[in-house]
Amino acid sequence: GAVVSQHPSWVICKSGTSVKIECRSLDFQATTMFWYRQFPKQSLMLMATSNEGSKATYEQGVEKDKFLINHASLTLSTLTVTSAHPEDSSFYICSAAEGANQPQHFGDGTRLSIL
Amino acid sequence: GQQLNQSPQSMFIQEGEDVSMNCTSSSIFNTWLWYKQDPGEGPVLLIALYKAGELTSNGRLTAQFGITRKDSFLNISASIPSDVGIYFCAGQRDFGNEKLTFGTGTRLTIIP
Repeated sequence: GAVVSQHPSWVICKSGTSVKIECRSLDFQATTMFWYRQFPKQSLMLMATSNEGSKATYEQGVEKDKFLINHASLTLSTLTVTSAHPEDSSFYICSAAEGANQPQHFGDGTRLSIL
Repeated sequence: GQQLNQSPQSMFIQEGEDVSMNCTSSSIFNTWLWYKQDPGEGPVLLIALYKAGELTSNGRLTAQFGITRKDSFLNISASIPSDVGIYFCAGQRDFGNEKLTFGTGTRLTIIP
């Protein structure tokens, strides 16, 4: 089955640091990947759609200069939280579908804590 | 962003009981999915529904795609301890590479 892997699973860093999170499709190619953010006791909210070889599409209210997305290959998308601040602390999760008619599968998420 | 209305928000049941939860939307979706999330992990796909009126089972889980395409239901029969977690519905305009809109979640707790 389709497996999506995220790395790292947990990050703690100081305010002002930039943090990169990787999302990989392990056994399939994904032209599109999605990045979600989930605050405690809340649902998943889509941040952006990552498109291989082109610019990401950001949801309304998400700062594209703060959350940089790069989808340089068919198996890897990265999310970089630039100059992170405590309010950026959250659970970041990516997803991808194996094909146009397949459901999305999720990575195990990255817990980001900014001190 | 938009969220789907999911109810109940939480459930406290005894092992062996059946569970029902539902998800409603003000707009139409062409695909409905149900996921389960354990603490500190990503959501895991339970059931995917692609056709209005469709009824699909996965073991003790049964989900239905509402005929109006604005709602979906998930039932769990004979609950067991590992059913504990948060259940999310998600709607999608189309398949695969379209973004998901998630429900608010139903937290299932099993009382010993």
